[in-house]
Amino acid sequence: NAGVTQTPKFQVLKTGQSMTLQCAQDMNHEYMSWYRQDPGMGLRLIHYSVGAGITDQGEVPNGYNVSRSTTEDFPLRLLSAAPSQTSVYFCASSNKVSGSADTQYFGPGTRLTVL
Amino acid sequence: SQQGEEDPQALSIQEGENATMNCSYKTSINNLQWYRQNSGRGLVHLILIRSNEREKHSGRLRVTLDTSKKSSSLLITASRAADTASYFCALVRETSGSRLTFGEGTQLTVNP
Repeated sequence: NAGVTQTPKFQVLKTGQSMTLQCAQDMNHEYMSWYRQDPGMGLRLIHYSVGAGITDQGEVPNGYNVSRSTTEDFPLRLLSAAPSQTSVYFCASSNKVSGSADTQYFGPGTRLTVL
Repeated sequence: SQQGEEDPQALSIQEGENATMNCSYKTSINNLQWYRQNSGRGLVHLILIRSNEREKHSGRLRVTLDTSKKSSSLLITASRAADTASYFCALVRETSGSRLTFGEGTQLTVNP
């Protein structure tokens, strides 16, 4: 199994540009999520999904869109990039949806710089 | 705060010593998880401890949970230089379903 994969690993955007960060998992996990990590800080939840066709907002959803058309894929779209979105983005997945969250498996991250 | 707060923010020890990191929180939780992050990498799950558990072990790792004090600790025994990383506690609140809330982490440096 490849686990959780993310592409690209690095990206530089200009203010106002849009792009999609890709995330895929091959563990048949129901739960997937996107986090951002800023220097010296923990992770903040952007959006999450408890299954195909179901998404919800996290702590910091503004400026980002998600969709979940399949169990495997959970892309994150930046609609109009801003310098404040410069960050490292992590995708994660886990098995359990109902009750308590199980172990989350993280991708290697995408380092995004917005000029 | 709805997230865990780790203490200390940074810890520097010599190889072979034990390292203890603490996490305090203010809400009722379903479980608490510890993760490690090596520089420039993604997070790796270490241990999950449920609210009805008091202690768990995994190799050189020992995690305790005191729900009455709303605190948890992660002990790494006989530390190695390879343990150098950031360590995060993450909460699953009773009301949050599957969502994890991360603290800001403890940066551990183990000097050879």
